[in-house]
Amino acid sequence: KQEVTQIPAALSVPEGENLVLNCSFTDSAIYNLQWFRQDPGKGLTSLLLIQSSQREQTSGRLNASLDKSSGRSTLYIAASQPGDSATYLCAAPNNAGNMLTFGGGTRLMVKP
Amino acid sequence: EAQVTQNPRYLITVTGKKLTVTCSQNMNHEYMSWYRQDPGLGLRQIYYSMNVEVTDKGDVPEGYKVSRKEKRNFPLILESPSPNQTSLYFCASRRQGQNTEAFFGQGTRLTVV
Repeated sequence: KQEVTQIPAALSVPEGENLVLNCSFTDSAIYNLQWFRQDPGKGLTSLLLIQSSQREQTSGRLNASLDKSSGRSTLYIAASQPGDSATYLCAAPNNAGNMLTFGGGTRLMVKP
Repeated sequence: EAQVTQNPRYLITVTGKKLTVTCSQNMNHEYMSWYRQDPGLGLRQIYYSMNVEVTDKGDVPEGYKVSRKEKRNFPLILESPSPNQTSLYFCASRRQGQNTEAFFGQGTRLTVV
């Protein structure tokens, strides 16, 4: 069964810093991985979906990479801003594509 | 605007009183699913539906029912809620296909006393 882990669970950085969030998964036979953002008490907002055939996917200041062989994905946030403060979750689908397995999330705080 | 809409957003109820949380999507997605989010346990899938009249259990289906009579709607039914069903619930939808993005609703915070 797929297991998804995110380390660290919490991260605090000063504004302007570039940072990397990590996501690891146990079953490398995934065909995509999706990154989400969750603000306190709110829903999940999809940030990026990176397909297994892709190595990277970019959206604005965000860049996600996927390395199936090592079971890792990273979310790179450039020039962080206080508005980036949120919990970031990664999720991998099962083989049937009918369920997402989520990591525990990384709670990010960007200090002004 | 493409969205997944859940109602209500907040609900406090008493043990044993049947309730329904509605979910509707306007993107004509085939797949819909329900998750619950609990501290320390993360997001876990309750039920999913691959299309109209096709539903199946996720990881934590006990105490819940669903139906999919129309493509856009996927209500979550708690026939006899119990305090251990106090949680934050999310509905999600996506198009059929391997690499399609999942969209989530804003969540329903349910408290069962």
